[in-house]
Amino acid sequence: NAGVTQTPKFRILKIGQSMTLQCTQDMNHNYMYWYRQDPGMGLKLIYYSVGAGITDKGEVPNGYNVSRSTTEDFPLRLELAAPSQTSVYFCASSYPDLNSYEQYFGPGTRLTVT
Amino acid sequence: AQKVTQAQTEISVVEKEDVTLDCVYETRDTTYYLFWYKQPPSGELVFLIRRNSFDEQNEISGRYSWNFQKSTSSFNFTITASQVVDSAVYFCALSEYSSGSARQLTFGSGTQLTVLP
Repeated sequence: NAGVTQTPKFRILKIGQSMTLQCTQDMNHNYMYWYRQDPGMGLKLIYYSVGAGITDKGEVPNGYNVSRSTTEDFPLRLELAAPSQTSVYFCASSYPDLNSYEQYFGPGTRLTVT
Repeated sequence: AQKVTQAQTEISVVEKEDVTLDCVYETRDTTYYLFWYKQPPSGELVFLIRRNSFDEQNEISGRYSWNFQKSTSSFNFTITASQVVDSAVYFCALSEYSSGSARQLTFGSGTQLTVLP
């Protein structure tokens, strides 16, 4: 299993540009999440999904959109990039097992908006 | 609302010293889950441990040990005989049962541990 994969690893955007961060997991996990990590800070939840076709906002959803058309994929869309969105983005997934709340994280995407 | 506080922003120790990383949490739930993750310089997040709120037994795994105390809402992490490879940012996180099936994690701001040779 590859686990959780994210592409790209790095990206530089100009203000106002759009892009999609890709996230794929091959563990058949129902739950998927997007977090952002600002320098020197912990991770904050942007959006999450409990299954295909179901998404919901986290703590910091403004400026982002998500979709979940399949169990495996959970892309994150930035429509009009702003410098405040410069961050490292982590995708994670987990399985709805009452005995295991562990989230498995991807390697992250480092995004710079200038 | 849930909150996780890691008051130690940075800690430096010399190799072979013991070091304890503090984590204090706030929650109104009686059922919740606590986690520790390690983020080495390479940037990925590595799961270390999960603890349920109804299991206050301390845990030891090799050089790592965790002290969970509900009375003080703390879940501290101790590394014994630290090594240079332990240098990383360590995050404590909380998931409340009442957050529903989504089980979102709330992270602390992390503690940067530097182990000097």
